[in-house]
Amino acid sequence: AQSVAQPEDQVNVAEGNPLTVKCTYSVSGNPYLFWYVQYPNRGLQFLLKYITGDNLVKGSYGFEAEFNKSQTSFHLKKPSALVSDSALYFCAVVPRAAGNKLTFGGGTRVLVKP
Amino acid sequence: GAVVSQHPSWVICKSGTSVKIECRSLDFQATTMFWYRQFPKQSLMLMATSNEGSKATYEQGVEKDKFLINHASLTLSTLTVTSAHPEDSSFYICSAWAGDGRENTEAFFGQGTRLTVV
Repeated sequence: AQSVAQPEDQVNVAEGNPLTVKCTYSVSGNPYLFWYVQYPNRGLQFLLKYITGDNLVKGSYGFEAEFNKSQTSFHLKKPSALVSDSALYFCAVVPRAAGNKLTFGGGTRVLVKP
Repeated sequence: GAVVSQHPSWVICKSGTSVKIECRSLDFQATTMFWYRQFPKQSLMLMATSNEGSKATYEQGVEKDKFLINHASLTLSTLTVTSAHPEDSSFYICSAWAGDGRENTEAFFGQGTRLTVV
């Protein structure tokens, strides 16, 4: 069975500083990997995905993530965080043969302080 | 991009009544939709996979008779919480995949429905 781990429940960062949200996964084969962001009482918004190709993926709102197959990680990064980036972030994985069932990590709350 | 619309955004109902939540794909067809449940400060847990024209596939531990799913068309799936109780209070989110089935495929999510059973 596949699983996704986000080891940090919350990440605090000052505005303008780099932001990193960690994600590791366990799944057989080569999965599709995703990052989503959720604002209070809202659905999930897509940030970026890794399917194949370049390990560094660039997404929406200045976010990027690096796929590391040997470490089975897909950490989300942003060079300079904004207060508006404060939200709940989810890493998700879907095995390529699983009928598109997404498995989510536990989520990481990001708080960017001015 | 594709849009998944969920209605209502929030609902308050009395214990013992039933509540229907709709999930629509607005500009694409979805033969499969997914229903998730999210408790406060927790992750999304897949409840069931809704299949157009056939029965839904429920995850282990999800009561089929409690959470009725109907996927009547290629753009509409409904989740009915029957005989709701306070412990059913939660945030329910639907999603559907759109794209070419390969690298351009992406999951889109509804805005969620906050259900409060009193």
